[in-house]
Parts: sequence; structure tokens; C-alpha cells
Amino acid sequence: NAGVTQTPKFQVLKTGQSMTLQCAQDMNHNSMYWYRQDPGMGLRLIYYSASEGTTDKGEVPNGYNVSRLNKREFSLRLESAAPSQTSVYFCASSARGGQGYEQYFGPGTRLTVT
Amino acid sequence: QQQVKQSPQSLIVQKGGISIINCAYENTAFDYFPWYQQFPGKGPALLIAIRPDVSEKKEGRFTISFNKSAKQFSLHIMDSQPGDSATYFCAASKGRDDKIIFGKGTRLHILP
Repeated sequence: NAGVTQTPKFQVLKTGQSMTLQCAQDMNHNSMYWYRQDPGMGLRLIYYSASEGTTDKGEVPNGYNVSRLNKREFSLRLESAAPSQTSVYFCASSARGGQGYEQYFGPGTRLTVT
Repeated sequence: QQQVKQSPQSLIVQKGGISIINCAYENTAFDYFPWYQQFPGKGPALLIAIRPDVSEKKEGRFTISFNKSAKQFSLHIMDSQPGDSATYFCAASKGRDDKIIFGKGTRLHILP
């Protein structure tokens, strides 16, 4: 059971370049998420998918697009990267536990935009 | 508007001491309050969680204290160890909602 996997682990882009961050989970979870983590800002939700074929904007969606390809995979695309998108990106999936939903995070992608 | 406020932003504690991190929330509809622990270079992972029908929950050296009337909850780490050095996030969610609102995090460093 690999849990949540993300690729790549590190990426450097030039301003204006595009790229797709890949995420997959093998826990059969319906809900998946993309967050960005910046110093002093905590975890901010970019996009969310409650099930295959559905996506919703989170707190900071501008500059990003997502695709929920199937139940396992949820990708995040930067069409024209900007230095403000330099961050660590985490994908997560969730399942309901005994008390509430528990989120399971991937190892993250560290992105630098120059 | 920040719905979950966390303090302090960073904390240094001597080995063996008690680490205390505080959170406050605004939305009274929240009814699930988890804490996540994140080690450097890793993703966050669920540490401990509480619902508002109890005032305290303990798991090993980690305790959540919950004050419903004050809309505050805190994480206490007893006998803090260097291995506890990590970033801790408090969070809140409501009912059947599978989205979680995170605090901004506390970077904890335990001195050996």
C-alpha cells in the first residue's frame, strides 16, 4: 500500500513555463485535494475533488487547473508559472474515520519558479 | 477571514518539558478538531483528534484540551523529546464536510 504518491519531488521552472504535478492514491478514497504550503501561511487549499469527475475551487485557485482523471489520480496544472507559485505542493486524499474525515498526505513537490 | 487561529508560530522547549500549542476557532458549526504533525521534508499526518462532546483526549504523551464555551483547544506534549521536533497544525471541520480548515502551524523545536 503506497498511500498517496506525488511526482515529481522537485522541479525548477522558468516564468511562463507550464507543468503538471501528478498525484495518485491507492486507498480507494473518493475525496482528493491539492494544497500549497508557504512559510507562515500554513496549508492553503487550491482545489478539491469530492469524486471522480467533480472539482471545486479552494482558497487559492488562481493560476491553477486540475483534472480528476479517475478515482485514483488527481493532477494539478500550472499553465504559465509565476514566481508567486514557488511553494511546496501537497496532494491529499481523505476517508471518514471514527470521529471525522482523516486526510492522508503525499510527500510533496517542491517547486521553484525563477 | 481566518477561521482557525493558531499560536505561537514557533516554540522552543527543553527536553522533558511540556509543549503547549493553542488554537481558537470562530465557526460554532465545527465539530471535529484534529491535530496534524509534519516532519521536515514530509507531508502532514494525523496525530490526534477530538470532538466537542469531551473536554480532553489523551494518547500517550499527547493531550488535546477543549473549551467549547471559549471556542479554544490546545495540544499538550508531555515529557517533550527531540523526536517531537516538527510543525504542528491544528484544524477544524464540520459534520459530514470532508474539507478541513487548517491553522497556520507551529514550528516546535525540542532542545536536547
